Amino acid sequence: NAGVTQTPKFQVLKTGQSMTLQCAQDMNHNSMYWYRQDPGMGLRLIYYSASEGTTDKGEVPNGYNVSRLNKREFSLRLESAAPSQTSVYFCASSHFRDGKNTEAFFGQGTRLTVV
Amino acid sequence: AQTVTQSQPEMSVQEAETVTLSCTYDTSESDYYLFWYKQPPSRQMILVIRQEAYKQQNATENRFSVNFQKAAKSFSLKISDSQLGDAAMYFCAYRRTGNQFYFGTGTSLTVIP
Repeated sequence: NAGVTQTPKFQVLKTGQSMTLQCAQDMNHNSMYWYRQDPGMGLRLIYYSASEGTTDKGEVPNGYNVSRLNKREFSLRLESAAPSQTSVYFCASSHFRDGKNTEAFFGQGTRLTVV
Repeated sequence: AQTVTQSQPEMSVQEAETVTLSCTYDTSESDYYLFWYKQPPSRQMILVIRQEAYKQQNATENRFSVNFQKAAKSFSLKISDSQLGDAAMYFCAYRRTGNQFYFGTGTSLTVIP
């Protein structure tokens, strides 16, 4: 059981370049999330998808776009990378069923450096 | 907006001793969930323990237990018999009924041999 799989694990971009971070989960979860982690700031929500076909902005959405391709996959796109987007990015998923929430399950993270 | 506060950026504990990490949160909800996650140097986020707000009994998982004070909006993590493998960043997280999770800024725990 792979859980949540993110690719790539490391990436270096030049300012202005674009890229897409890929995320897939095999737990049949409804909800998926993208977070960024910066020193001293914890994890901040970029975008989330409550269910297939829906996406919503989180705390820090500027400079990012997302696509919920199907129930399994949720991608994060940086259209024009900036040094301020240097961070560690995490994809996560969770389930909401019968009034019960599960915890969030995380991928292994992507360390992105924008130079 | 919900906020989660971890007021201890760094903590240290002697091996085999007990340490308590603090977390407070702000919410107007009555039904919600609280979590502690561990992030070792490998970067992987690992669930340590969870607490459902409607349950009065404090959650425990082996050497890990919580002190959940709903009225005070406090959710501390106690690690007993600390081991070298417990060294990590610990994050407190809040989730209301719905979808969004809110995380604190983390506490870096050092275990001294």
